[in-house]
Amino acid sequence: NAGVTQTPKFQVLKTGQSMTLQCAQDMNHNSMYWYRQDPGMGLRLIYYSASEGTTDKGEVPNGYNVSRLNKREFSLRLESAAPSQTSVYFCASSEAGGFTDTQYFGPGTRLTVL
Amino acid sequence: DAKTTQPNSMESNEEEPVHLPCNHSTISGTDYIHWYRQLPSQGPEYVIHGLTSNVNNRMASLAIAEDRKSSTLILHRATLRDAAVYYCILRGNSNSGYALNFGKGTSLLVTP
Repeated sequence: NAGVTQTPKFQVLKTGQSMTLQCAQDMNHNSMYWYRQDPGMGLRLIYYSASEGTTDKGEVPNGYNVSRLNKREFSLRLESAAPSQTSVYFCASSEAGGFTDTQYFGPGTRLTVL
Repeated sequence: DAKTTQPNSMESNEEEPVHLPCNHSTISGTDYIHWYRQLPSQGPEYVIHGLTSNVNNRMASLAIAEDRKSSTLILHRATLRDAAVYYCILRGNSNSGYALNFGKGTSLLVTP
């Protein structure tokens, strides 16, 4: 099992450009998440999808959109990138999203916006 | 939301036990205590979780105070590979059920 995979691993954008970060999991998990991590900080939730067909905002959703394409895939889109979105983006998945649930994380996408 | 407090950094010698503390004085009765760690340039990984009783798994042990206002993650024999940032996270009715609320965690340095 590959677990949670993310593409691309690195990306450099110019201000105003758009891009989509891809995430896929092969663990048949119901819930998927997008987090961002700024230097020296912990992770903050951008959006999550509790189950296929649903998405909800997290702590820092402004400037992002998401699509839960199917049970396996959850993408994050930056419509008009800004330097403040320079960060490392992590995708995660979990079985059901409950209080004892374990989240499994991908390796991250390092995004720089110039 | 119930909050956790951890030291910014700790240091340990290789092959010695490490005790990583976490204070959570406003924990509610339904809050589980989770620990994750993040190795350099990697995504976080789950370590252990518990509610009231002490817990052991192949990675670590979790000791929970009787009043649940604090807990300690115990690495029995630290290795260089254990150098990471360790996050103590509460999950329950006092926090969003879905998000893991990462703080800044404790950066563990392991020296040979």
